[in-house]
Amino acid sequence: AQSVSQHNHHVILSEAASLELGCNYSYGGTVNLFWYVQYPGQHLQLLLKYFSGDPLVKGIKGFEAEFIKSKFSFNLRKPSVQWSDTAEYFCAVNSQIKAAGNKLTFGGGTRVLVKP
Amino acid sequence: EPEVTQTPSHQVTQMGQEVILRCVPISNHLYFYWYRQILGQKVEFLVSFYNNEISEKSEIFDDQFSVERPDGSNFTLKIRSTKLEDSAMYFCASINRPSGGRETQYFGPGTRLLVL
Repeated sequence: AQSVSQHNHHVILSEAASLELGCNYSYGGTVNLFWYVQYPGQHLQLLLKYFSGDPLVKGIKGFEAEFIKSKFSFNLRKPSVQWSDTAEYFCAVNSQIKAAGNKLTFGGGTRVLVKP
Repeated sequence: EPEVTQTPSHQVTQMGQEVILRCVPISNHLYFYWYRQILGQKVEFLVSFYNNEISEKSEIFDDQFSVERPDGSNFTLKIRSTKLEDSAMYFCASINRPSGGRETQYFGPGTRLLVL
């Protein structure tokens, strides 16, 4: 069975600081990897996703993530955060093997608070 | 940008009562999902639905749960006899068409269900 771990439950940092959120997954096959964000009072929305190719993917709002296959990791980064990045961030995976409509398996989420 | 909508945003019910949570997926989407998040826990997959039938369901999705697409726009989750442990945030999601898991799932804002 798939599982996803996000090791940081809460992160507090100041504006302009760099952010890195860890995500590790456990799965025996090939996976697709996602980062979703949920801003306060809003719905989950996609930040970025990785399927294949260049392991460094860029998403919206200056976020990027790096897939390291040997470490089963897909860490999210942003060089300089803003107050508006305060949100909860979710790592998720699904399987490339199943033909269609793959369910997402989520990590526990990391709440990020950016202090102005 | 089209969005997934859910109603109600909050629902309080008594244990043993039936509840119906409603979702309106994005109009040209074909594949629908329900997830839930119990407070303090991970977002968990419940069920996926395609072509008027359940595509996949989790072990959480027991006989107390059912899904339906009663018309061309709504997608509902019914809990027949609610239990205290059904208290959670319920998210609906949809995709345009399956593509080996690479498709972006678009999430609604959620319905917070409280069972007393």
